[in-house]
Amino acid sequence: QKEVEQDPGPLSVPEGAIVSLNCTYSNSAFQYFMWYRQYSRKGPELLMYTYSSGNKEDGRFTAQVDKSSKYISLFIRDSQPSDSATYLCAGYNFNKFYFGSGTKLNVKP
Amino acid sequence: SAVISQKPSRDICQRGTSLTIQCQVDSQVTMMFWYRQQPGQSLTLIATANQGSEATYESGFVIDKFPISRPNLTFSTLTVSNMSPEDSSIYLCSATASRIQYFGAGTRLSVL
Repeated sequence: QKEVEQDPGPLSVPEGAIVSLNCTYSNSAFQYFMWYRQYSRKGPELLMYTYSSGNKEDGRFTAQVDKSSKYISLFIRDSQPSDSATYLCAGYNFNKFYFGSGTKLNVKP
Repeated sequence: SAVISQKPSRDICQRGTSLTIQCQVDSQVTMMFWYRQQPGQSLTLIATANQGSEATYESGFVIDKFPISRPNLTFSTLTVSNMSPEDSSIYLCSATASRIQYFGAGTRLSVL
């Protein structure tokens, strides 16, 4: 079993929709969780990080962690075509990072 | 945060040659990593670049094929040696600041 599991998609939504991207993880010792956005032919760009259970909001993005069920989510409100990218979730523990396989998102105008 | 500059951004190389990729961070960082990413795939960790000592390689990657240098806390290089078409991939440098990992833009390598 991989440390972090993520549905690869692709996920296609109309512009303005609320997008929900999800990951599950197996290691209850993870200390931090991160979401990265990766455009085609670019390196991953850090979107958000969170330490604990609960929600963290930044503009149109909300990161949610539920440690009891080992579930992390990224919500994108009012999605835009410019949000079309691959989104990677990651967990951190003891100087090691564990990445999901990425979910490809396409926001249609 | 950390800003990472990686070069070259892309290269096309002949089979049997070697390519050295450079990674520069705008601040001193404890940990630097090298990843490989095949098209449409997630990140595969090649090694952790340790300052002042030999890199720590993940299973399936060896020093002879992927020698790494880390002469100081802001710079590292990855060499892809004796290349074959199977080495065609994106190579990414990353660094950790305050336990958050930041990435360079990547080097897109094509081996003919």
